[in-house]
Amino acid sequence: TQLLEQSPQFLSIQEGENLTVYCNSSSVFSSLQWYRQEPGEGPVLLVTVVTGGEVKKLKRLTFQFGDARKDSSLHITAAQPGDTGLYLCAGVSIYTSGTYKYIFGTGTRLKVLA
Amino acid sequence: ETGVTQTPRHLVMGMTNKKSLKCEQHLGHNAMYWYKQSAKKPLELMFVYNFKEQTENNSVPSRFSPECPNSSHLFLHLHTLQPEDSALYLCASSQDLLGNQPQHFGDGTRLSIL
Repeated sequence: TQLLEQSPQFLSIQEGENLTVYCNSSSVFSSLQWYRQEPGEGPVLLVTVVTGGEVKKLKRLTFQFGDARKDSSLHITAAQPGDTGLYLCAGVSIYTSGTYKYIFGTGTRLKVLA
Repeated sequence: ETGVTQTPRHLVMGMTNKKSLKCEQHLGHNAMYWYKQSAKKPLELMFVYNFKEQTENNSVPSRFSPECPNSSHLFLHLHTLQPEDSALYLCASSQDLLGNQPQHFGDGTRLSIL
């Protein structure tokens, strides 16, 4: 069974601080997606990383895919209250049939205090 | 704004009731998904439909019955549910199952079983 563990599970920080969220697995994924879910809403895709070692930046968010494509990290610089939400990673695997399967992580709930 | 609409947003029902959750996507996608989101648990994939055909049933109890009459609509019929079925039920869609694509989520139905 493929599992994705995220850490930390909960994080409460002050506005302006930096933070890193981790997504780890013993399985190799063809790619990995990060989503953010705000209260009362569904998850929204932030980024997809595909290549081992790949780094992508989205404003103050930096995403990295591990060299072995088993893990990923999300770093937020100078966090703002608008960054508050549940961050989910999702590993994407390929079936032998060629179809894709998504495995979601356990989630990191972030609260940024003004 | 979301291209995936779920109704109702909230539902309270007794264990002997029968109700249905509805999902509609306006994105022209061919794959649709039902997920269950409970506190402290990863998103659990329940069912996957691709071109109206069910491709995955993730060992879901028979008290949950999905229906996909066309590529734009997905239903989840509920009957004789248990208190542990209380959760947020999320619908998602993607272009199909053959590419590394993002899933677009609705805002969910918050289900409470009395």
